[in-house]
Amino acid sequence: ETGVTQTPRHLVMGMTNKKSLKCEQHLGHNAMYWYKQSAKKPLELMFVYNFKEQTENNSVPSRFSPECPNSSHLFLHLHTLQPEDSALYLCASSRGQGNTEAFFGQGTRLTVV
Amino acid sequence: AQSVTQLDSQVPVFEEAPVELRCNYSSSVSVYLFWYVQYPNQGLQLLLKYLSGSTLVKGINGFEAEFNKSQTSFHLRKPSVHISDTAEYFCAVSRMDSSYKLIFGSGTRLLVRP
Repeated sequence: ETGVTQTPRHLVMGMTNKKSLKCEQHLGHNAMYWYKQSAKKPLELMFVYNFKEQTENNSVPSRFSPECPNSSHLFLHLHTLQPEDSALYLCASSRGQGNTEAFFGQGTRLTVV
Repeated sequence: AQSVTQLDSQVPVFEEAPVELRCNYSSSVSVYLFWYVQYPNQGLQLLLKYLSGSTLVKGINGFEAEFNKSQTSFHLRKPSVHISDTAEYFCAVSRMDSSYKLIFGSGTRLLVRP
C-alpha cells in the first residue's frame, strides 16, 4: 500500500464510451501525475499537476482530459478512445520537488474494444 | 532534456547468483537518480535513490546502486538474487533545479530461475 489509490483497477470500454479514471492520495503531496504504460514501451508521462495547476501536457490527444479539483484527487476523463489507447494507466504523487520520490498507485488496466 | 537508457530489456539469472542491471543517463544539468521496481499487476515502488553524498546507495531488498558521474551511469546490483526478485526494474532521473518530472528508462525485466 503506497497511499495512492486508483479506481477502477480494470476497465473495458468501447470506442464510443465515456469513462473516467480516478486517483486519490492522502499523503499531503502537492504534485500528481498520469503515466501511460504500454507493452514494450517506456513509461510515458502524460500530465503533471502541481498545486492543482497543470504544468505539463506531453502532446496528449484531446480524447484524454485530466482534471485536478484539489491536491488530493486527480481524474482522467476518457472519450472516443482508440484500441491503441489500451494500456496500464498509472497515477503518482510526490511532494513536488525533484529530490523526492514519486509514489505510484497500482494502476488501471484499460482495454478499448 | 534528459534521457535514460537501459540497454538490457531482459536479464535472466539463476537464483543466488549476483546480478547487475545497467542504467545510463544523459542530461545537461545535474540530476537526481532513482531505481523503481514493478511486480506483475502492480504500480512502481521505489528501491533506492541517489541525491548527493556517497556514490554507493543502498536500498530495500538487498539492492544497491553506484553513481558514476564520469560515466553517467547508475547501475543496480544485488549480490544474491531470489525468485521473488523477478520483476521489471526502471531507472529514472529528475532535474535538481526544482523540477519534479521523472524521466524513466524503458525498463529491464529480471527473470530469476531456480
